[in-house]
Amino acid sequence: EFVLTQSPGTLSLSPGERATLSCRASQSVSSTYLAWYQHKPGQAPRLLLYGASSRATGIPDRFSGSGSGTDFTLTISRLEPEDFAVYYCQQYGSSPLTFGQGTKVEIK
Amino acid sequence: QVQLQESGPGLVKPSQTLSLTCNVSGGSLSSGGYYWTWIRQHPGKGLEWIGDIYYSGSTYYSPSLKSRVTISVDTSKNQFSLKLRYVTAADTAVYFCARRSTVTAYGWFDPWGQGTLVTVSS
Repeated sequence: EFVLTQSPGTLSLSPGERATLSCRASQSVSSTYLAWYQHKPGQAPRLLLYGASSRATGIPDRFSGSGSGTDFTLTISRLEPEDFAVYYCQQYGSSPLTFGQGTKVEIK
Repeated sequence: QVQLQESGPGLVKPSQTLSLTCNVSGGSLSSGGYYWTWIRQHPGKGLEWIGDIYYSGSTYYSPSLKSRVTISVDTSKNQFSLKLRYVTAADTAVYFCARRSTVTAYGWFDPWGQGTLVTVSS
């Protein structure tokens, strides 16, 4: 089973700053089969990126993804107030499908 | 666009069966091309994939839950359901339903329901 480890656990930043979130896999993820989600309390999680770097429909271009193999990164270029949330990575290269434990981006 | 909404009891007694339904609106579950998924989140923890089903009835289950889980589909009602048997306090979680892409063998989840909290307690 793939284990995804996200870091840091919490990121304290101000609006307008750049956020860099890491997701490390215990094994190489096939063909960059990695997705990122945003989750706010009481809301449905929202797909941000798939294929490590492809933005989902309607996702602003301040969200970008990179990486391959075992190391992946989600970057939010300039934090907007609505971006403060928990972010999860997910691998879909093999079953069982697994998620990271999440990174909380909070207002400093 | 497709929307999903979970429903079911918020409280289940230990050793009983947790039963949830996900209603799909804005699209037909039986149009194909997607799997329909259950995911849960324990309090304060990350996300755990439970399993999913195709409209034809083909299923995938997490190995850790496979012995206790059944996912079924009702295309006439545009719904799919989760049954988790012999629950314990460790099954207390927010349960989400979602649609899984099949562009690749497995895929990403989009969209999701808002989730429903199920507490296991006597």
